[in-house]
Amino acid sequence: AQSVTQLDSQVPVFEEAPVELRCNYSSSVSVYLFWYVQYPNQGLQLLLKYLSGSTLVKGINGFEAEFNKSQTSFHLRKPSVHISDTAEYFCAVSEGDKLIFGTGTRLQVFP
Amino acid sequence: DVKVTQSSRYLVKRTGEKVFLECVQDMDHENMFWYRQDPGLGLRLIYFSYDVKMKEKGDIPEGYSVSREKKERFSLILESASTNQTSMYLCASSLFQGMGDTIYFGEGSWLTVV
Repeated sequence: AQSVTQLDSQVPVFEEAPVELRCNYSSSVSVYLFWYVQYPNQGLQLLLKYLSGSTLVKGINGFEAEFNKSQTSFHLRKPSVHISDTAEYFCAVSEGDKLIFGTGTRLQVFP
Repeated sequence: DVKVTQSSRYLVKRTGEKVFLECVQDMDHENMFWYRQDPGLGLRLIYFSYDVKMKEKGDIPEGYSVSREKKERFSLILESASTNQTSMYLCASSLFQGMGDTIYFGEGSWLTVV
């Protein structure tokens, strides 16, 4: 079975600083990878996903992620964060018709 | 835009009550899901359905059942609510029974069992 590890439960950062949220997955076979964002008191919204092709994937709100097969990683990055990026971020890997989620990383952006 | 609507945002129920959480999607999606979200545990799949009247257990089905009588509606049922079922419940849907499809989420239902 697939598993997803998000090593950082919380990431505090100042506004306009760069940020990286780390995600590692377990499978060595071909996978589909996702990042979702959850703003306070809301459901999850897709940020970006990797299906195939270019290993650098661009998503909404200026986020991007890089798929690294050899390191089984799919880290999320943003070069300059805004207060409005404060949210919880979930990495997920597909397993059949289902998504297996990590435990989430809370990004807190300070002014 | 895809719309997944959960009928109740906040519920408070007593131990032993039967609880229904309703979910409707408006995009003719084949697959529907119920997840449970708890701090530090992320999202865990309770049940999913890939067709009307079809269902499959997820990772934590104990204490829950589901019903899908119509394609657009997927209900989660707690037969006898317990305090350890206090949680945020998220309904979701996706189009195809294939890998890589985006799963769309509702806004969640906060259930407190006292």
